[in-house]
Amino acid sequence: KAGVTQTPRYLIKTRGQQVTLSCSPISGHRSVSWYQQTPGQGLQFLFEYFSETQRNKGNFPGRFSGRQFSNSRSEMNVSTLELGDSALYLCASKLERWQLGTDTQYFGPGTRLTVL
Amino acid sequence: SQQGEEDPQALSIQEGENATMNCSYKTSINNLQWYRQNSGRGLVHLILIRSNEREKHSGRLRVTLDTSKKSSSLLITASRAADTASYFCATEAANAGGTSYGKLTFGQGTILTVHP
Repeated sequence: KAGVTQTPRYLIKTRGQQVTLSCSPISGHRSVSWYQQTPGQGLQFLFEYFSETQRNKGNFPGRFSGRQFSNSRSEMNVSTLELGDSALYLCASKLERWQLGTDTQYFGPGTRLTVL
Repeated sequence: SQQGEEDPQALSIQEGENATMNCSYKTSINNLQWYRQNSGRGLVHLILIRSNEREKHSGRLRVTLDTSKKSSSLLITASRAADTASYFCATEAANAGGTSYGKLTFGQGTILTVHP
């Protein structure tokens, strides 16, 4: 099976712009999570989607939003970009079984966003 | 905020030596996962250990989990130069519903350097 794919791999934007990142999960995986990685804050959870519904959200401002489509592909959007939004954005998918939620999350290669 | 701490922050060893990394966390968990990351790329899943397990092996990897101390360790035996990477532990918190809906909480990571 193909792994988690993310597009684009690199983005350069300027402050005030908005950006949309895309994630395609492993075939058959319906849970998609997003994470932000920065040198200062490390890896932080943004949100998780399952069957087009956001089930969990991290502590990020409303400028960060996401959605999931019926084919489980997911997008995240950041509006009114700030310099501090420069980061590696990682998407992960998992095959959720209904016992204990112990499934592995598989990560994509990430999108490197630079805000100038 | 990060759930746990990893120790040491950096580890430098020679090829053939063993590498041990430790992770501590704060809340009750469903499982703990270890990931590897090379040079700011995506995370590669190494091993998952459930809260009712104490030890797990995968190839040259050995993971232990002590839920009473809220700690875990990752041992890489007979290390190779290719093992040079950052290693992260990530926990899935336990809640009444049995799943944390995809949210993994990461430690700050250990940077491992293996010299040929």
